[in-house]
Parts: sequence; C-alpha cells; structure tokens
Amino acid sequence: SQQGEEDPQALSIQEGENATMNCSYKTSINNLQWYRQNSGRGLVHLILIRSNEREKHSGRLRVTLDTSKKSSSLLITASRAADTASYFCAAITYKYIFGTGTRLKVLA
Amino acid sequence: EAGVTQFPSHSVIEKGQTVTLRCDPISGHDNLYWYRRVMGKEIKFLLHFVKESKQDESGMPNNRFLAERTGGTYSTLKVQPAELEDSGVYFCASSQVQANSPLHFGNGTRLTVT
Repeated sequence: SQQGEEDPQALSIQEGENATMNCSYKTSINNLQWYRQNSGRGLVHLILIRSNEREKHSGRLRVTLDTSKKSSSLLITASRAADTASYFCAAITYKYIFGTGTRLKVLA
Repeated sequence: EAGVTQFPSHSVIEKGQTVTLRCDPISGHDNLYWYRRVMGKEIKFLLHFVKESKQDESGMPNNRFLAERTGGTYSTLKVQPAELEDSGVYFCASSQVQANSPLHFGNGTRLTVT
C-alpha cells in the first residue's frame, strides 16, 4: 500500500485557530515534503524537511519529523479562510509517495 | 515561467473508447511524473520519465495504459480501451534533475468513463 498516510482525513476549524495534520510512512526516507491542493488545481509544494532534520519553519508553517516513529506533522498557525485546501505529505525515497490527504476547512 | 500544463482539463468517454492525455512540463525539467487520484483515495504513482526514458513504470496498472515522452519534452498518456475503473484525476508533475527537487504539478485531467 502507499506510504504517506495523513490524518485526520478532514479537519474543520475557525479562522485564527491552529491546524495540525499528521502523516505516517512505512520505510526509510530521504526527505519528506508537504503539498497543498486547492479544489480543481494541482498540488503546490509547501515545505521540505530532510531526514536528518527534526523541525522546520516557513512563515506560518511548522513541520516536524520523527524518523524513529516514521511520522511527520504540519502545523498551520493563525489559520485563514484562504488556507482551506487539501494537504498531502510525500515520503521521498527513490520515488515520491503521496497519501490520501487531509481536507482542511477554515471557517471565517 | 510557465507552469505544467495538462490537456484536456476534462474528458468524458464511454467504456471501450480511447483517450489520450497530454502534459507539457516546465521547460528544462528532465523529470516528468504521472499520478492518478481516484475519488477520496491516495494520489497514486503511475510512472516517471527522465528525459525520454522511462525510469520507473511500476505504477502503471496494466497494458491498457501507454505513456510516451518523445524527444524528452511533452508527454502523453493513452488509455486504450478505457474501463470504468480508469475514472479519476490524472496529474502530471515535473521537476529539475536534482534529487528530491519539489514537484511542480499541472491542474490535472479529470477523466470520466461511463
């Protein structure tokens, strides 16, 4: 089966709250990437974290990686309505393996 | 720079017909990938080109699917004959030659087989 399984499958929060999404994978990776997909559009790369890194920040995004647990989390702080989208992690070995995604809805 | 473009954006065909999807990657991107997403499920890898060569086609579901990338530029994915289970959104992505470069996705082709 595919790696990069995200949870929760769906998340609904109020604008201004923080959103946390988790991702698990199954084998050793080179790095892990998070992507966002707006409805009807392609995926857009958000952030990359290498296998030897534990945490990375980019603007309102914070990504953690725990290689011992084979898991990663994406935190979006101070969410906005424009953050409404599906979010996918991609576990990178010699290929990019995506999961089922988390559908985030931010209510204004 | 122009992004990855896919054509058509939507296609509705009957079972047994043939459909050809096209992807134009970002100029200079040697890596080109095809993925498929069936509603609610994972984005599943189909295959990977490096220039005109198939690097990995382990995700191609069966011999009804044929991908080509003549000249190492645009790519086509042909489904012949189409079956109901082929319905889904087909994404193309491209990236630079450096390992683990971020993927740049097109908006996808939504294929419906009736």
